[in-house]
Amino acid sequence: QSALTQPASVSGSPGQSITISCTGTSSDVGSYNLVSWYQQHPGKAPKLMIYEGSKRPSGVSNRFSGSKSGNTASLTISGLQAEDEADYYCCSYAGRVVFGGGTKLTVL
Amino acid sequence: EVQLVESGGGLVQPGGSLRLSCAASGFTFSSYSMNWVRQAPGKGLEWVSYISSSSSTIYYADSVKGRFTISRDNAKNSLYLQMNSLRDEDTAVYYCASDGSGSYYNPLFDLWGRGTLVTVSS
Repeated sequence: QSALTQPASVSGSPGQSITISCTGTSSDVGSYNLVSWYQQHPGKAPKLMIYEGSKRPSGVSNRFSGSKSGNTASLTISGLQAEDEADYYCCSYAGRVVFGGGTKLTVL
Repeated sequence: EVQLVESGGGLVQPGGSLRLSCAASGFTFSSYSMNWVRQAPGKGLEWVSYISSSSSTIYYADSVKGRFTISRDNAKNSLYLQMNSLRDEDTAVYYCASDGSGSYYNPLFDLWGRGTLVTVSS
């Protein structure tokens, strides 16, 4: 069982906004804003989408944003598009480097 | 082109050994910490190991500690993972990934290879 808890699946219609949560503890997510988020399409390598909680790498759409409240980090995708359908993983240091269990995003 | 290319995967029997390689190009490899991350078939991502730019700091996941050894050769722009005493549960795609933060405590995997498949089976 991962130290970071994500919902197994979320869904949304094109144009809508969705949020994926990543819940840790006061010792990890709650203490530091160092969560990173990765997008992975089937059969492809993961891609960094957000780092240090809310920073976007060059080239990543501004439809992707990150935030934190308490012990929960969140990834929000606005203006949902078909190509956003993928698996999403959060990652942080929680006594060791750990990934969340992953969330499958379905665009309806 | 900035890229990482893994090699060395394949089919190996339980208890066997395998050495993975990751060739870096297009960036100053010697300046970056590196990691191995794996993904079992149909499962999520699992961090495996970290090595600092100078090889002075190394960490392993508990699941591989004592069996896997990470190393690098900055002169050859290459990262390695020596895997011994392999188990069925080590079956996965193994990715190498560069660490953009330079700190183990701030995991930030900004460049990934395409991965190499390791299958442990008799």
